[in-house]
Amino acid sequence: DTGVSQNPRHKITKRGQNVTFRCDPISEHNRLYWYRQTLGQGPEFLTYFQNEAQLEKSRLLSDRFSAERPKGSFSTLEIQRTEQGDSAMYLCASNNRRGQGNEQFFGPGTRLTVL
Amino acid sequence: RKEVEQDPGPFNVPEGATVAFNCTYSNSASQSFFWYRQDCRKEPKLLMSVYSSGNEDGRFTAQLNRASQYISLLIRDSKLSDSATYLCVVNYNTDKLIFGTGTRLQVFP
Repeated sequence: DTGVSQNPRHKITKRGQNVTFRCDPISEHNRLYWYRQTLGQGPEFLTYFQNEAQLEKSRLLSDRFSAERPKGSFSTLEIQRTEQGDSAMYLCASNNRRGQGNEQFFGPGTRLTVL
Repeated sequence: RKEVEQDPGPFNVPEGATVAFNCTYSNSASQSFFWYRQDCRKEPKLLMSVYSSGNEDGRFTAQLNRASQYISLLIRDSKLSDSATYLCVVNYNTDKLIFGTGTRLQVFP
């Protein structure tokens, strides 16, 4: 499979626990993005990386959220002290070109449920 | 006001019908425009980019009106398999995509 992969696909956790999600982009893509999608809404941008550098973070990304891409390949998104409002689908996307026509290829997402 | 606004629908249409979706965006500096399709509980996938001159891909036609800051998608001869949520997306020549809430389409036999 040469697409974007995400693990786990589903995560159920109790409020206050920490969770970590992983994204493996398409291998030749140097840009990696994280989005969050809640029911009935479109995806909302969280952060993105070019290689290992984190270039932009949304104000949605509170200090309980941290993302890394240590070797410029896979990325992790960690949420500390989860809250019920964190329940959402977390989508990862990748590409290797900016500007017009810069299609982003999405992974299947990690669905988080915080009880 | 949201940066990208769409009618959430649902649009319920019979097979063979023509259906049109509109979307408005608030930032006049927007550079790139797209329609993504999202099936239930799946990831979004690019349907088509939208160019100033308008573009067509089979049964799908996209139009952009920069003066009025709106984008449209026309689907002709609807198929059952077109049932999905259609997301209007803009980009300000940065690297993040700004999504609308999506318009849900249900095609019935």
